[in-house]
Amino acid sequence: GAGVSQSPRYKVTKRGQDVALRCDPISGHVSLYWYRQALGQGPEFLTYFNYEAQQDKSGLPNDRFSAERPEGSISTLTIQRTEQRDSAMYRCASSLAGGPGGTDTQYFGPGTRLTVL
Amino acid sequence: AQSVTQPDIHITVSEGASLELRCNYSYGATPYLFWYVQSPGQGLQLLLKYFSGDTLVQGIKGFEAEFKRSQSSFNLRKPSVHWSDAAEYFCAVGAKGGSYIPTFGRGTSLIVHP
Repeated sequence: GAGVSQSPRYKVTKRGQDVALRCDPISGHVSLYWYRQALGQGPEFLTYFNYEAQQDKSGLPNDRFSAERPEGSISTLTIQRTEQRDSAMYRCASSLAGGPGGTDTQYFGPGTRLTVL
Repeated sequence: AQSVTQPDIHITVSEGASLELRCNYSYGATPYLFWYVQSPGQGLQLLLKYFSGDTLVQGIKGFEAEFKRSQSSFNLRKPSVHWSDAAEYFCAVGAKGGSYIPTFGRGTSLIVHP
């Protein structure tokens, strides 16, 4: 595609429900990143993949959060048993080539606004 | 661990005036430095980045930034602001070596008056 796409763009859910957020990166991009952005703050790293391998998940806040990228393209970020504090913008980014010391540009999607009631 | 401080939450300028957005970083060695812009409803777009070499970096949309090691700063500048520059601006720092994961500042909101 022309850019990184994310769906849904808006998600409203009730506390305790599970949600799945989807990211479709730019075709051919090796690396895919997930960030969370609270209102009035910058993006905060959650996790990233090179191809289908999850390279770093140190930013995931707890075990209710998980992510996968089974075929090295589309990725899903899943939040189980959502809580009100999970409400935020969830952003995905992709880059052409990952790996140690990578300096390639990350291209960001428009984000999914999650609201937990 | 690296960190970024953007001391100004909001900046208001008149169209045609010059602009400087401040960014200070904390990192033990020479970092990778970035400026991103975020327009409403859009994803973040990279304006420019510094990895090494010339400390004055030119970016898109007429922006530039200067890396000053002695001041741990990477301020963003533009000589003449356009109304379309109104947006949120984020400075980010990444660590050299190992996996590159940027740490973002909280952002500066730019308001442009006609």
